[in-house]
Amino acid sequence: NAGVIQTPRHKVTGKGQEATLWCEPISGHSAVFWYRQTIVQGLEFLTYFRNQAPIDDSGMPKERFSAQMPNQSHSTLKIQSTQPQDSAVYLCASSTNERLFFGHGTKLSVL
Amino acid sequence: TQTVSQSDAHVTVFEGDSVELRCNYSYGGSIYLSWYIQHHGHGLQFLLKYYSGNPVVQGVNGFEAEFSKSDSSFHLRKASVHWSDSAVYFCAVSAGTGNYKYVFGAGTRLKVIA
Repeated sequence: NAGVIQTPRHKVTGKGQEATLWCEPISGHSAVFWYRQTIVQGLEFLTYFRNQAPIDDSGMPKERFSAQMPNQSHSTLKIQSTQPQDSAVYLCASSTNERLFFGHGTKLSVL
Repeated sequence: TQTVSQSDAHVTVFEGDSVELRCNYSYGGSIYLSWYIQHHGHGLQFLLKYYSGNPVVQGVNGFEAEFSKSDSSFHLRKASVHWSDSAVYFCAVSAGTGNYKYVFGAGTRLKVIA
């Protein structure tokens, strides 16, 4: 069991470019969560899926951010027209009913 | 809406000391509480949880936490810390165990001096 896999580990983009972050949840887990972590804001909930269906995207910035889960083996978080304030570590987690299992995160740096 | 407050941003203790990391929450319904640990450069790892039953729950590596409904608290404790316990600790609240959204506190950075 490799755990939750997030790729890439680091991504550097220029302002205005698009960034796509990938998450492969643990096989058999029914829920996938996305969080954003910064020094200033801490851990911010973005969105989550249950059985591939979007359940709650209340934390997603309304513009530029989108998330999908096209199949049970991966989810993507896409940020269009990246801005410096999008720089953060983006964490993906999958879940049993008991606990969250987190990936190592993708560190996004927008120059 | 659930909220979580961790009043101490930083806690420093010596190896072998006991420690308590504080967590207070607000939520009107049934609640699921948990603690996670994050070592530098890694994702969060589960320590322990509470949903019902005995208010004192045991976790990994000698950690325990106690739920108090009257105080709206779920403080984390360890009787004797090791230098490897140095990390950031997050308290989390969720509306239930059935894969609901987790809301995390700001975290407490624990530094253990050897």
